[in-house]
Amino acid sequence: SQTIHQWPATLVQPVGSPLSLECTVEGTSNPNLYWYRQAAGRGLQLLFYSVGIGQISSEVPQNLSASRPQDRQFILSSKKLLLSDSGFYLCAWSVGRVGSPLHFGNGTRLTVT
Amino acid sequence: GQSLEQPSEVTAVEGAIVQINCTYQTSGFYGLSWYQQHDGGAPTFLSYNALDGLEETGRFSSFLSRSDSYGYLLLQELQMKDSASYFCATNSGNTPLVFGKGTRLSVIA
Repeated sequence: SQTIHQWPATLVQPVGSPLSLECTVEGTSNPNLYWYRQAAGRGLQLLFYSVGIGQISSEVPQNLSASRPQDRQFILSSKKLLLSDSGFYLCAWSVGRVGSPLHFGNGTRLTVT
Repeated sequence: GQSLEQPSEVTAVEGAIVQINCTYQTSGFYGLSWYQQHDGGAPTFLSYNALDGLEETGRFSSFLSRSDSYGYLLLQELQMKDSASYFCATNSGNTPLVFGKGTRLSVIA
């Protein structure tokens, strides 16, 4: 069966510090991978998605970046965090077409202080 | 672009039936999905409608009317554990899902 691992679960970082969140998927090949962000009590905002190694589509211009160094690994990064980067970051995967049902990881709750 | 509208909050009594509506505006509509998210947790997929009509999965059903750009999630025999946020989502062809802002359902005794 397929599983998705996302870590860390919680993170507190000072403004201006770097960020690296990692997500890996097991049990499937060539998944579509996504990073969403959810502000407190709000909806899900798509940040990046990838349909293959090295292929990244950015949906929202900001100080975040994403990379996919391996088929089942997706990394979200920032060189300098802003207060507004605080939120709940969710990695997800799907198979087939990009709009197919999503399977989410448990998320990382990031607080920028 | 795509936009979805759903009520921000709904309250219902345990054992009752509740309907959560979703209207959408999108070009090249492909289908309507529903996700459930408990506080502090990750969203989980509930249902998907690509064609008009009702899809039933246990206590949950989802309906779609493509001509009205409208759908709803129906929860029957409500249980306390159904208290959660429910999101509708759409996509256009081979594009990622766009989510509504979510409906917070509170089930009361």
